[in-house]
Amino acid sequence: AQTVTQSQPEMSVQEAETVTLSCTYDTSESDYYLFWYKQPPSRQMILVIRQEAYKQQNATENRFSVNFQKAAKSFSLKISDSQLGDAAMYFCAYRSAASGYALNFGKGTSLLVTP
Amino acid sequence: DSGVTQTPKHLITATGQRVTLRCSPRSGDLSVYWYQQSLDQGLQFLIHYYNGEERAKGNILERFSAQQFPDLHSELNLSSLELGDSALYFCASSSGTGTEGGYTFGSGTRLTVV
Repeated sequence: AQTVTQSQPEMSVQEAETVTLSCTYDTSESDYYLFWYKQPPSRQMILVIRQEAYKQQNATENRFSVNFQKAAKSFSLKISDSQLGDAAMYFCAYRSAASGYALNFGKGTSLLVTP
Repeated sequence: DSGVTQTPKHLITATGQRVTLRCSPRSGDLSVYWYQQSLDQGLQFLIHYYNGEERAKGNILERFSAQQFPDLHSELNLSSLELGDSALYFCASSSGTGTEGGYTFGSGTRLTVV
């Protein structure tokens, strides 16, 4: 079974600064997708960014970017110019055909943004 | 509004009871996924339906069952409820069965078993 590990239970960043959240995963597959989801206090699960494993180029969505290292099975999320609204729980997730296309989530990283 | 509708938003019930959670997927989406989020287990995949057929099962208890109806809405039935079933239950939908992208999640049903 695929496992997703987020080794940082909590992170803190000052407004306007940059923070990187770590994620590693374990798989023997070559075709899969990786995601970062944000869960603010409202509890809504919001897709932040996704990465296809066959693409070498790192995905970017405005202030959010990833560093995808396929050989190392690492998928970190960088948030630039952090804003107070970025405070949330962030979940890394893996999805593939072998997982029945279900998302396997990490335990999450709680991000605190300070003024 | 994500387009995925879950009802009710909150549910409080007693141990031993049975409840039904409802999910209407985003327009055009054929797949529905159910997840359970609890403090100790995190986000756990329960079950996936595609166009009315069960496609995959995750960590779903035998006391739990689900179905997807011809109009594509789905229901998750939880019976013989225990205190440990208290959790946030999410439904998500996607347009197909493949890895065409991330899902869209509903806002969840908060179940409290007392």
